[in-house]
Formats: sequence, C-alpha cells, structure tokens
Amino acid sequence: DAKTTQPPSMDCAEGRAANLPCNHSTISGNEYVYWYRQIHSQGPQYIIHGLKNNETNEMASLIITEDRKSSTLILPHATLRDTAVYYCIVRGNNNDMRFGAGTRLTVKP
Amino acid sequence: ETGVTQTPRHLVMGMTNKKSLKCEQHLGHNAMYWYKQSAKKPLELMFVYNFKEQTENNSVPSRFSPECPNSSHLFLHLHTLQPEDSALYLCASSQVMAGGTYEQYFGPGTRLTVT
Repeated sequence: DAKTTQPPSMDCAEGRAANLPCNHSTISGNEYVYWYRQIHSQGPQYIIHGLKNNETNEMASLIITEDRKSSTLILPHATLRDTAVYYCIVRGNNNDMRFGAGTRLTVKP
Repeated sequence: ETGVTQTPRHLVMGMTNKKSLKCEQHLGHNAMYWYKQSAKKPLELMFVYNFKEQTENNSVPSRFSPECPNSSHLFLHLHTLQPEDSALYLCASSQVMAGGTYEQYFGPGTRLTVT
C-alpha cells in the first residue's frame, strides 16, 4: 500500500472549517483514500473514503486532487468533539489497512 | 455505537496469567481483525480472519493466540505476557467481497495492563 504523509498536529477554532491535508504521491490507480479518526482511547471511527471524485457525507468532505497525489479532509464546522487524531490511509482491494501517526487536530473554543 | 463490542474494557493481568479478550460484531460482516495500539504508537495490525480463516499473522509472538469460531466472534487468548504487551487491543470487522474490501468498523478496545 502507498505511504501517506500528514502534519503531526493542527489547531482549528470552534465553528470554523478544519482542513486536514494528506500527501500520497505514490498512490496506485486502484488504491482508495480512506480517512479515520480516533478520539482519545477509543477505537478509530470511519469518516469517509474516495477513489477519484470528491466525496461528501454527513461527517465531512473529501477533496482529491486531479493527479490523486494528495487529498484534503474538510470538517465544515468543527466542534470541540472533533478533537481527535485523524488518519489518512491509502489502500487497495485488500483488507490490510496500515495506520500511520496521523494528524492530531485540536479544536479550540 | 459501531456494532462491534469488546469485553472486557479493562484488564489487569500478571505475567503468569491466562486470559482471553472477546470481540463480537453485529454487522453481518465476514472479516474480523485484531490490532494493537501501544502508547504513542500507530495501530499495528496483528491478525486478519476472512470467513473464519486466518489470512494474516503479522509476526505476532505465540503468546497471543487468536480464535475465530464463527464470523461474528473473535477471541484473543493471552498467556505468559510481558509488561511491554500492555496496550489498547482493538477489534474491527468489515465486509469482504469479490470486488474489494469495505471500511472497517472498530470496537472500543480493551485496555490491557500486564504487571
């Protein structure tokens, strides 16, 4: 699976949009971009995933660049409960998912 | 509530004890996973079961022994652990189909402390 690069930490003001970047320059054509988050000492929570097109669900939006070498997870109106570690993962059609260090997002009042 | 439950939520055991962690998924999935998360480290995949068959063992020491009696239940049997095995143990499940594998849903984890 392709490797991802994320900033170790980010801050965001409550109510503002949180934009979390991820670089995956070695992504292959059949590999998806997945995002999970982990609130302290809980299990990771699935957020969203995509292949080529931008995706949106009730939690977030995923913007994937045209060359697919990077993506951005957008939390449109961050709340204090969105404080967590966010993981960007690239995986193919297998069930082996490799987590990196992620980005620790702190939403501040 | 993700549909994946784990028991116990907390466990303290001595190095000579034998204990088991239990995971149950209520999502109708056909694949289950064990992960280990040590302090300030990324999640590490330990075992993968597809249709009750173990398909992956990521060089896990034999003191960890998984068991998958059916597609809804997964156990991790522990014996003669070391203090460095203290960690959060997470179970996950997903649906595996011919066209690929879907997202994994995680349980809340078991916080294990080995004394």
